[in-house]
Amino acid sequence: DQQVKQNSPSLSVQEGRISILNCDYTNSMFDYFLWYKKYPAEGPTFLISISSIKDKNEDGRFTVFLNKSAKHLSLHIVPSQPGDSAVYFCAASNSGGYQKVTFGTGTKLQVIP
Amino acid sequence: GAGVSQTPSNKVTEKGKYVELRCDPISGHTALYWYRQSLGQGPEFLIYFQGTGAADDSGLPNDRFFAVRPEGSVSTLKIQRTERGDSAVYLCASSPTVRPETQYFGPGTRLLVL
Repeated sequence: DQQVKQNSPSLSVQEGRISILNCDYTNSMFDYFLWYKKYPAEGPTFLISISSIKDKNEDGRFTVFLNKSAKHLSLHIVPSQPGDSAVYFCAASNSGGYQKVTFGTGTKLQVIP
Repeated sequence: GAGVSQTPSNKVTEKGKYVELRCDPISGHTALYWYRQSLGQGPEFLIYFQGTGAADDSGLPNDRFFAVRPEGSVSTLKIQRTERGDSAVYLCASSPTVRPETQYFGPGTRLLVL
């Protein structure tokens, strides 16, 4: 049972345009959400997070939006740069306890120069 | 400073063999996690250590999998009687806190069971 879903396995975007990566979750107990970025042969690195008490969090070119009623979140990257080309994982946790993380399947983003 | 290191980077073994995968966390990080990433999937939680003890091993798929962290630093993931379905990248992460955004991942060990 996939509790965190990323339905788009890949996405191609022109440099300078906006990249929008989507994620859906099914577990209502999740109240903290994260995005990770992963380059080949490296481990994932944390990018940005959002608590369920917010609907938007922004950090430079990266913004995460959360729609709790739809159990949907998205990551916006603007403007997209070639160095953003990577696999992006959406993840979710429950803020109680040690915050075990459940990952989605990932979306491979290619930013075309 | 040094990040999380994992050895070996690649391991090829035959079905039925025993393997050990090692994780060297960032110095001072009390929390350590093991994940498994199968092809086309995201990392899947296996086990979480706080210090020397396994605080949550609910992700270990069966009793062929075992992990230790005897001195609260280096951890070893042990897989007995390997099966082809065990082929995956095994990721280790360490953290100074319980917050997920402070988890630092190693590059992983790519295990191939023939």
